[in-house]
Amino acid sequence: GDSVTQMEGPVTLSEEAFLTINCTYTATGYPSLFWYVQYPGEGLQLLLKATKADDKGSNKGFEATYRKETTSFHLEKGSVQVSDSAVYFCALSRSNDYKLSFGAGTTVTVRA
Amino acid sequence: DTGVSQDPRHKITKRGQNVTFRCDPISEHNRLYWYRQTLGQGPEFLTYFQNEAQLEKSRLLSDRFSAERPKGSFSTLEIQRTEQGDSAMYLCASSLLGQGPLRDTEAFFGQGTRLTVV
Repeated sequence: GDSVTQMEGPVTLSEEAFLTINCTYTATGYPSLFWYVQYPGEGLQLLLKATKADDKGSNKGFEATYRKETTSFHLEKGSVQVSDSAVYFCALSRSNDYKLSFGAGTTVTVRA
Repeated sequence: DTGVSQDPRHKITKRGQNVTFRCDPISEHNRLYWYRQTLGQGPEFLTYFQNEAQLEKSRLLSDRFSAERPKGSFSTLEIQRTEQGDSAMYLCASSLLGQGPLRDTEAFFGQGTRLTVV
C-alpha cells in the first residue's frame, strides 16, 4: 500500500539557519504530494503541493520538488524564523481527492 | 465562515460507553473527511463523503465506528463500546470538488476532537 517516510525529529535550529526535512514515498502510479504544517494549538494547514513529476511547490519561503526518480519530496527553507516552529507532515494522495496518506511528522523548533 | 469546526474539542469517556463527535465543514464544501491521529503519528484516513454519500471506508473503521452525513452538510462520527485503543485525536476536513465555474479547493482541517478512554 501507499506509505510516506519522513525524517524523524525533533529538529532544533537557530534563526536564519537552513532547514531540510526529508520525505520519501511508496505508491503506484503518479500520486500528488503535499506538505502540511501544524502550528501549536492550530489545525493542519496545507503548506504546499505538487501534482506531477518535476513540479516545485512553494509557499512562505518553503519549497519542495517532486522527484519521481528518487520518489522524494524533500522540504527546504533557506532561512527559518521562530514563527516556523511547528510539526511538518509529508503526505500523498493517489486520487483526485484528499484521501491522504501521511508521514509521522517532524517537529521543528527554531530558537532566536 | 470560520472554517471547519468540530465539537466537542475534548471528550473523556469510560471504556464501553458510546461517543459521538460532530463536524461542521465549510459551508459550500461537498467533500468531508474523517481522520484519526494518535500521539507521535500522522493522521490516518478513516472515511469520506461526497455530499451525503459515504464513498470509502478504511479498514481502520471497525464495526464499532459509524459515520453519517445525512443532509450533505454536517457529519457525525459515532464510536460504540469504546476501547482504550480508541484514544486519539479525531480530525475532520472538508474540500470542494469543483463543478462548472467552481474550482477544486484544498482540504481544510478542523482542530480535532481529542478522545480519551479511561
